[in-house]
Amino acid sequence: AQSVSQHNHHVILSEAASLELGCNYSYGGTVNLFWYVQYPGQHLQLLLKYFSGDPLVKGIKGFEAEFIKSKFSFNLRKPSVQWSDTAEYFCAVNLVGSSNTGKLIFGQGTTLQVKP
Amino acid sequence: NAGVTQTPKFQVLKTGQSMTLQCAQDMNHEYMSWYRQDPGMGLRLIHYSVGAGITDQGEVPNGYNVSRSTTEDFPLRLLSAAPSQTSVYFCASSYYHPGQGNTGELFFGEGSRLTVL
Repeated sequence: AQSVSQHNHHVILSEAASLELGCNYSYGGTVNLFWYVQYPGQHLQLLLKYFSGDPLVKGIKGFEAEFIKSKFSFNLRKPSVQWSDTAEYFCAVNLVGSSNTGKLIFGQGTTLQVKP
Repeated sequence: NAGVTQTPKFQVLKTGQSMTLQCAQDMNHEYMSWYRQDPGMGLRLIHYSVGAGITDQGEVPNGYNVSRSTTEDFPLRLLSAAPSQTSVYFCASSYYHPGQGNTGELFFGEGSRLTVL
């Protein structure tokens, strides 16, 4: 079965530190890739997405992610985190194909805690 | 814009009770889905619908029913609540992209926190 793995379950950083959250998926076909963020007590919001084209995509609040097809990865990065980035981050994959129904497969999530 | 609206936001049930979580979207999205979120397990798909009158099971459908009589509404019914159904439930909708079908980009409601005693 297809799956999405997020390597870091809980990350603690100080403000201004750089961030990289790993995401790998298991599917050999075409995919759409997403990172969602969930701030404490809130619903999930789209951070960034990749459908096609430039594998380096930029999202809101200074986040970016790079799609490396050969590694089945879509890692999330931010050069300098802020306390307000404290949240849970989810990687998700949509399997594009003839039976595409738009279902998203989510990773387990990574809790990021940024210390002021 | 209302987007995806879920009600109620909080609910406490006793084991064996039934209830319906309501979900409505005003974006004319064809695709709607229900997820449950549990600590350390991410989001798991319960049921989904690709259009009015069409529903299908997701990863964890047992104990839940859905129907899709209109494009806008996608209620989730708990038939006989169990403590294992204590969770946060999210409704989401998605759109079709010309030439690509359903992109999978989900728009989420604010969630419904359910506790089953």
